[in-house]
Amino acid sequence: AQSVTQPDIHITVSEGASLELRCNYSYGATPYLFWYVQSPGQGLQLLLKYFSGDTLVQGIKGFEAEFKRSQSSFNLRKPSVHWSDAAEYFCAVGGSFNKFYFGSGTKLNVKP
Amino acid sequence: DGGITQSPKYLFRKEGQNVTLSCEQNLNHDAMYWYRQDPGQGLRLIYYSQIVNDFQKGDIAEGYSVSREKKESFPLTVTSAQKNPTAFYLCASTRGRARPSTEAFFGQGTRLTVV
Repeated sequence: AQSVTQPDIHITVSEGASLELRCNYSYGATPYLFWYVQSPGQGLQLLLKYFSGDTLVQGIKGFEAEFKRSQSSFNLRKPSVHWSDAAEYFCAVGGSFNKFYFGSGTKLNVKP
Repeated sequence: DGGITQSPKYLFRKEGQNVTLSCEQNLNHDAMYWYRQDPGQGLRLIYYSQIVNDFQKGDIAEGYSVSREKKESFPLTVTSAQKNPTAFYLCASTRGRARPSTEAFFGQGTRLTVV
């Protein structure tokens, strides 16, 4: 069965520091992987997605993610975090009929 | 601008009442979805619809009902059978009905509180 694990519930980083959010997935076939961001009380916005090809994908707001099949991981990274990046981040895998399976989310706090 | 509109943003329900959450999209997307979000649990799929007049149960459909009479609309009714309805509800849509998966577009959510 498809599943997504985000092992970090909360992460705090200083503004300007680098960021890596972890995501591990379980899926039988080639996965379709997504990262979404959610501000408090808002819907989700797509940051980036991976379908095939280059395993390092670039997204909006300076985010990137690397797909590693051998580790079943799709970690999100940003070289320098801004205060406006404070939000909750969700990793998801796409399944049949365009159903999505989401991780439990990682809340990012940014220290000034 | 195209998008998904959920209304109301906040909804209060008395125990034993049914309430309906609205979701409208003008993206001309085929598929629509309802997710429930609880703190620390991520998003869980309630119902989804790939085409008008057809819908399927997701992982937590008990106590919920939906209809899909128009392509643009996918209302969710939270019935009195739902024992713990207080949550944040998100509606989403996608362009296609089958793989390869495309990204989902989300509404701004409805926060339902039982009083």
